[in-house]
Amino acid sequence: DTAVSQTPKYLVTQMGNDKSIKCEQNLGHDTMYWYKQDSKKFLKIMFSYNNKELIINETVPNRFSPKSPDKAHLNLHINSLELGDSAVYFCASSQDSGQGTPLHFGNGTRLTVT
Amino acid sequence: AQSVTQLGSHVSVSEGALVLLRCNYSSSVPPYLFWYVQYPNQGLQLLLKYTTGATLVKGINGFEAEFKKSETSFHLTKPSAHMSDAAEYFCAVWNTDKLIFGTGTRLQVFP
Repeated sequence: DTAVSQTPKYLVTQMGNDKSIKCEQNLGHDTMYWYKQDSKKFLKIMFSYNNKELIINETVPNRFSPKSPDKAHLNLHINSLELGDSAVYFCASSQDSGQGTPLHFGNGTRLTVT
Repeated sequence: AQSVTQLGSHVSVSEGALVLLRCNYSSSVPPYLFWYVQYPNQGLQLLLKYTTGATLVKGINGFEAEFKKSETSFHLTKPSAHMSDAAEYFCAVWNTDKLIFGTGTRLQVFP
């Protein structure tokens, strides 16, 4: 009965490769997010989608391309991976995009680029 | 723009002692404030939230936080620490259309 699930949990790859991370939520929420957590635990929002529509794109390099096939899924594709992309990527969802709405997080995908 | 500052990147307490994790916010409008906890190799779990109403907010696992407008603070407390409370704690504020996190405080609990 996992609420927000991400796959894979770990991803190790070489520079220059392309990889994808998948996220699914079964909470019936309208809004989904991608956050990046760096090695110092700092969390920064990357994207958010509301009902499959992109509403936030936080100056992320265009090597990162999110896709939301439906409101229960939000995937993240990364082209030409760089060493600096190594981080933990968290997917989250919320009931709506209104202020004060709490986010529900997945367990993260640890990406290591060598 | 709204933001939060967490004072102290590391806090150590003995089991049974009071836990106090500090968070100050900056906001030109009434803020929506949150505390999240992150256990090792896991995602973030909501501890509690303040939106409107009562300024003392009770959360899960015995934690509570008090919204103090005069001090622009939203500190997290627990009367008696347990070993299982050892984790990273994040204060967060809703900023227009996104949730902004503080830099986190790592809580260590010693027996």
